[in-house]
Amino acid sequence: DQQVKQNSPSLSVQEGRISILNCDYTNSMFDYFLWYKKYPAEGPTFLISISSIKDKNEDGRFTVFLNKSAKHLSLHIVPSQPGDSAVYFCAASAKNSGGSNYKLTFGKGTLLTVNP
Amino acid sequence: KAGVTQTPRYLIKTRGQQVTLSCSPISGHRSVSWYQQTPGQGLQFLFEYFSETQRNKGNFPGRFSGRQFSNSRSEMNVSTLELGDSALYLCASSSDNTYEQYFGPGTRLTVT
Repeated sequence: DQQVKQNSPSLSVQEGRISILNCDYTNSMFDYFLWYKKYPAEGPTFLISISSIKDKNEDGRFTVFLNKSAKHLSLHIVPSQPGDSAVYFCAASAKNSGGSNYKLTFGKGTLLTVNP
Repeated sequence: KAGVTQTPRYLIKTRGQQVTLSCSPISGHRSVSWYQQTPGQGLQFLFEYFSETQRNKGNFPGRFSGRQFSNSRSEMNVSTLELGDSALYLCASSSDNTYEQYFGPGTRLTVT
């Protein structure tokens, strides 16, 4: 059962425009969400995160929105740049029975291509 | 600060053999997690260690094991390798009581 879903395997946008990457989740216990970017032959790089008590978090060109009632989050990149071309993973975390929540559940990723 | 390092970067093994992968976390990070990435399953959590104790475990068979040393370095072992174990194995570290994990470049394991 896939608890974190990224339904678009790929997305193509023009340089300077907005990129919107979407992620849905099914586990209502998730209380923290993260986005990672991954280039080929490298490990994922942390981009931005959001706690379930917030609905928006911004960091420069990156903004993450969380809609808890819809169990949906999105990553907005404005303006998009060719160097943003990579696979983007959505991840979520939930407390386990011991009270720690350091396991990340990942979506399968969306390949973003930003065309010059 | 230096990032997370993993050795070796590439490994080719034969079915039935065993393999040990190594991970050195960011200095000061005591939590180390391991993930398996395959094209079909994406990134899947294996286990997490904190202060030499396994704190979280994913749904992998007992052939997958790990340990952490007093300097927070971690090793992951896979015994009786199967073709399906071919994957990118990623290690991530984090500081105490934070959610954000920082990944190493991974070890690409090929089982033939």
